[in-house]
Amino acid sequence: DAKTTQPPSMDCAEGRAANLPCNHSTISGNEYVYWYRQIHSQGPQYIIHGLKNNETNEMASLIITEDRKSSTLILPHATLRDTAVYYCIVPRWDKIIFGKGTRLHILP
Amino acid sequence: NAGVTQTPKFQVLKTGQSMTLQCAQDMNHEYMSWYRQDPGMGLRLIHYSVGAGITDQGEVPNGYNVSRSTTEDFPLRLLSAAPSQTSVYFCASSYTVSDTQYFGPGTRLTVL
Repeated sequence: DAKTTQPPSMDCAEGRAANLPCNHSTISGNEYVYWYRQIHSQGPQYIIHGLKNNETNEMASLIITEDRKSSTLILPHATLRDTAVYYCIVPRWDKIIFGKGTRLHILP
Repeated sequence: NAGVTQTPKFQVLKTGQSMTLQCAQDMNHEYMSWYRQDPGMGLRLIHYSVGAGITDQGEVPNGYNVSRSTTEDFPLRLLSAAPSQTSVYFCASSYTVSDTQYFGPGTRLTVL
């Protein structure tokens, strides 16, 4: 099983880049890394995912280390609306287990 | 597409009552799942289904039943509600377990 480890909370100043780390040292070669976020008590929303290469979309960038044992989600210019819980997920072959995620506080 | 819909949005039950939380998706997704989220906690997997007619238990299945008679619907049944089942329940779906998950808005359940 690919289990992920994230810090429970982080702070980031508004306008700065938020870098959220995730450790997934037991990931298998064909398993993707997914990131979701949950704002307040809404359903989690997809942000980005990747396998080996770094990925970027309109919301964020995902940096995956060469050994694939860890990754970093980057929100380039954090705003107050980015305050949320961020989950790093590695889907198993049959189900998806969420950890507790990282609670990101954006400081004005 | 309506995406993933959940009904009801809010529900209050008395201990011992039973009810069904509805979840439907119109994206022809094979994989569907149910999570519960207690205050200040992460999501815990209750049950999941990889396709119609196939269901399996997640991390916290006790006290809940599911069935998957169609691709579109994945209802969650509380057999005899207990105060410990007070939580927010989220349904999710995707083409396969490895694809992007789409979550519903949640059902907020209180058991008195």
